[in-house]
Amino acid sequence: EAQVTQNPRYLITVTGKKLTVTCSQNMNHEYMSWYRQDPGLGLRQIYYSMNVEVTDKGDVPEGYKVSRKEKRNFPLILESPSPNQTSLYFCASSFYPWGATNEKLFFGSGTQLSVL
Amino acid sequence: SQQGEEDPQALSIQEGENATMNCSYKTSINNLQWYRQNSGRGLVHLILIRSNEREKHSGRLRVTLDTSKKSSSLLITASRAADTASYFCATDNGLYRNEKLTFGTGTRLTIIP
Repeated sequence: EAQVTQNPRYLITVTGKKLTVTCSQNMNHEYMSWYRQDPGLGLRQIYYSMNVEVTDKGDVPEGYKVSRKEKRNFPLILESPSPNQTSLYFCASSFYPWGATNEKLFFGSGTQLSVL
Repeated sequence: SQQGEEDPQALSIQEGENATMNCSYKTSINNLQWYRQNSGRGLVHLILIRSNEREKHSGRLRVTLDTSKKSSSLLITASRAADTASYFCATDNGLYRNEKLTFGTGTRLTIIP
């Protein structure tokens, strides 16, 4: 089954304790992206990746890191989480052949992060 | 910054009625997409309309795009209780090989049985 898998679904942590949220897709998609969703603010893009070893900042990258060492995986790293990073996080991927514009995104089920 | 803004923020209608929600955006686009989100879950793609298209249908969904007004509308006909969800529009910024897709804040639709 074609899917984007995020783990964990729920995560409670304390300020400053490094954490990683994993994201994996099995559709051989070039494009992957991380979003955070907060009430009244909609979805805001954190980072995106066009392909292996190609990543770039979205609208709200501060406090986050990403890596794209393999095509299928795109982990989100919070080196020193703070309470303002409490949010619902989504990973997404899409097919992105050369010469195309954005195609539809496939989303993971989300990770609810609470930083105490 | 928000590229797409949905209107209204919330909408409640009786089952069987039609639901219309709107999206306005600020810059030129290559295409506009609509997504649905059930409470707290991942978004699901509904429909994509390209900048050279004016109207598109998919089942009970009808999407229109007016690039001169920088706006789009999503019509759900003969609504069902299962249509209760939040609906988001998403736009690119009109550039070739654009990498960024920006979402609006969404319309919360409630269908009353």
